[in-house]
Amino acid sequence: DTGVSQDPRHKITKRGQNVTFRCDPISEHNRLYWYRQTLGQGPEFLTYFQNEAQLEKSRLLSDRFSAERPKGSFSTLEIQRTEQGDSAMYLCASSLVPSNMGYTFGSGTRLTVV
Amino acid sequence: KNEVEQSPQNLTAQEGEFITINCSYSVGISALHWLQQHPGGGIVSLFMLSSGKKKHGRLIATINIQEKHSSLHITASHPRDSAVYICAVSHGGSQGNLIFGKGTKLSVKP
Repeated sequence: DTGVSQDPRHKITKRGQNVTFRCDPISEHNRLYWYRQTLGQGPEFLTYFQNEAQLEKSRLLSDRFSAERPKGSFSTLEIQRTEQGDSAMYLCASSLVPSNMGYTFGSGTRLTVV
Repeated sequence: KNEVEQSPQNLTAQEGEFITINCSYSVGISALHWLQQHPGGGIVSLFMLSSGKKKHGRLIATINIQEKHSSLHITASHPRDSAVYICAVSHGGSQGNLIFGKGTKLSVKP
């Protein structure tokens, strides 16, 4: 297993466009998390899935944001009508519960809205 | 006040020095995580602990549940240890939510 993969690594988009990011977790992991990180700050929770069920969403996840994990494997995070304030690093992580193992993070997708 | 506070925010050390990064939290937790983030964004999980102490190579993490405090120690620091170290807690009230500190930026000079 190559760990958690995120695609693309970088995305530059014009304001108002839609973007979609993909996360492939570790195959044995049943939980998948999305976080957002802006410069100089720690990551902030957006949402998480257990298998295909989206169990929790942050208030940060406005109506323009939607996440799916249709088959309980990979996940997509879509941002509609992007705004400059959406510019950030979007991090995906996965974990296996119950277990004593921690989270495994992807390298992130850096979004720049111009 | 943030639920997870780290100190110091920035730390510069000389190679070989013993380093301590502190983390205090104010919520009930099921576990505390220490993470390492290098420039470019990738995050590596260093430790997950709910009590006592864990050691991995030159890294040691301790937690005091009663005092709601954890420390990350690096012995014999090396320039390759330069990174941002982030403390995060698994919040007892939210099964999926990690609450992160803002991170401590460590720079180890040769």
